[in-house]
Amino acid sequence: GQQLNQSPQSMFIQEGEDVSMNCTSSSIFNTWLWYKQDPGEGPVLLIALYKAGELTSNGRLTAQFGITRKDSFLNISASIPSDVGIYFCAGQVAGGTSYGKLTFGQGTILTVHP
Amino acid sequence: EAQVTQNPRYLITVTGKKLTVTCSQNMNHEYMSWYRQDPGLGLRQIYYSMNVEVTDKGDVPEGYKVSRKEKRNFPLILESPSPNQTSLYFCASGPTGGPGGQETQYFGPGTRLLVL
Repeated sequence: GQQLNQSPQSMFIQEGEDVSMNCTSSSIFNTWLWYKQDPGEGPVLLIALYKAGELTSNGRLTAQFGITRKDSFLNISASIPSDVGIYFCAGQVAGGTSYGKLTFGQGTILTVHP
Repeated sequence: EAQVTQNPRYLITVTGKKLTVTCSQNMNHEYMSWYRQDPGLGLRQIYYSMNVEVTDKGDVPEGYKVSRKEKRNFPLILESPSPNQTSLYFCASGPTGGPGGQETQYFGPGTRLLVL
């Protein structure tokens, strides 16, 4: 099946620092999604990207849909302790019989030190 | 309150004993899906359903069955569980069609399964 490589696997940062993480794919996606998972909870959608080159913000979060449609980036500015969690990228293919399939990256575990 | 519910939340069972994990949503969503989460592997899609009586395989369907007889329910069935199915399972639902699509899917709280 499709592969999504997400990096880094984990990050340990100081409060106030900026964070960057990315996902690369062996296949083209028509939608890129970024989720956050808090301990003991299910993932929650942060940002959805629908067009190549699109740059979308949600508060301190900014995500971009790569031009090649095979990658995406998530940036978090001025991190705070509540940013702690696991961040997942996910990609969805265009149309056809696989329209309902969603492929996730392995996740980035973020730890923020006060 | 709009939500996806899963039952049970925790389950310990033995190899070969059939089990069902239920999933129900109250948002009238057409799309529902099951995932398993394992350390270092992220979430992997097991099965999904675009609508009632329509189900398709995800990336890891082996050893699992699903059914979608009603819009609100999407149970996950393990006919003969094995230890490699020990995992954290999530059900999700979302609308289909339009720019929202199933991208805006909502996840349940998870079911932690241990197969001995």
